Amino acid sequence: NAGVTQTPKFRILKIGQSMTLQCTQDMNHNYMYWYRQDPGMGLKLIYYSVGAGITDKGEVPNGYNVSRSTTEDFPLRLELAAPSQTSVYFCASSIQGTGANVLTFGAGSRLTVL
Amino acid sequence: DAKTTQPPSMDCAEGRAANLPCNHSTISGNEYVYWYRQIHSQGPQYIIHGLKNNETNEMASLIITEDRKSSTLILPHATLRDTAVYYCRTHSGGSNYKLTFGKGTLLTVNP
Repeated sequence: NAGVTQTPKFRILKIGQSMTLQCTQDMNHNYMYWYRQDPGMGLKLIYYSVGAGITDKGEVPNGYNVSRSTTEDFPLRLELAAPSQTSVYFCASSIQGTGANVLTFGAGSRLTVL
Repeated sequence: DAKTTQPPSMDCAEGRAANLPCNHSTISGNEYVYWYRQIHSQGPQYIIHGLKNNETNEMASLIITEDRKSSTLILPHATLRDTAVYYCRTHSGGSNYKLTFGKGTLLTVNP
């Protein structure tokens, strides 16, 4: 049981390049989330998904796209990378029932755009 | 989710109890209170949650006031490894899936 796995851990992009951050979970969680965290700042929600085929925007979705074709995977795509997207990206998942909703986070992907 | 207010920073001596407050005065009856922490550059880690009653686990205790408008996370014997940003948030089940976080409290445990 690996929990939430993110790849890559580190990446340097040039302005205008595109890339996909991968996130996979093996806990059969139905909810998945992408957050970004700028240096010294808190977590900002980018996108979330409540199940395969269903995604929605969070607080800061501009410049990103997501898809959820399976329960396990929730990739985050950056199109036309900009220096403002330099950040640490965290993926999280949870299982939503009638009670509590506890998030399990991945270790993060550190992205630098130069 | 209720808006939460936490002090931006706190200090604690090693071996002493750390008491981290959180105000959530607009909390509704079915909203849980959750605490997470983030040690430098790592992914946030779940600590504890509760609805009405006080809760304790191997990491911490959670005290929720009777009116549920505030709570306190207690680390009974803080160690240097407890230095981290601690986030308090609330959430009910149902259809609100947009889980956001505030700025949290930076707890510094001093030797």
